[in-house]
Amino acid sequence: QKEVEQDPGPLSVPEGAIVSLNCTYSNSAFQYFMWYRQYSRKGPELLMYTYSSGNKEDGRFTAQVDKSSKYISLFIRDSQPSDSATYLCAMSRLTGTASKLTFGTGTRLQVTL
Amino acid sequence: NAGVTQTPKFQVLKTGQSMTLQCAQDMNHNSMYWYRQDPGMGLRLIYYSASEGTTDKGEVPNGYNVSRLNKREFSLRLESAAPSQTSVYFCASSEARGTQYFGPGTRLLVL
Repeated sequence: QKEVEQDPGPLSVPEGAIVSLNCTYSNSAFQYFMWYRQYSRKGPELLMYTYSSGNKEDGRFTAQVDKSSKYISLFIRDSQPSDSATYLCAMSRLTGTASKLTFGTGTRLQVTL
Repeated sequence: NAGVTQTPKFQVLKTGQSMTLQCAQDMNHNSMYWYRQDPGMGLRLIYYSASEGTTDKGEVPNGYNVSRLNKREFSLRLESAAPSQTSVYFCASSEARGTQYFGPGTRLLVL
């Protein structure tokens, strides 16, 4: 069983919809949680970063962490065609000085006009 | 501000050939990382360098070597390429315990 599970999609939604992307994990030692967006043939770019449980909002994006359920979510409001990309969740433990990340496999999102 | 840069963008190798992938960052980050990305497998850590002068194995280090040349540069070497190493390779950097910033990637095809 993978440490981090993420539905690969693809997920297709109409423009303006609310999108919910999710990951589950098995290791309770994870404390830092991130969402990356990756456009086709590009490198991942950081979208959201949260520490421990709770919500964090940034514009149209909201990241939610529920450590008791080992479940994290990313919500996108008023989705746009430019949001079409693969979304990767990532998480890390507090070990040493390097932030070793464990990634989900990514969910491909398509926002249609 | 270029962030993380990688060369080359694309490379074709024959089985048994060697090559070095280059990575440089201009954000003064201490830590650097090499990942490979394969369909259905996500990003997997090959090697990382927590700080200048140190390197450690990640999840999939076999068949690779790394060099942390200085604080800015971290190279990945394939000594004898195999078709199983066909992948997209990403370099990343971070501050200590911070979030990682990725380069644009190198697409490698081994025939």
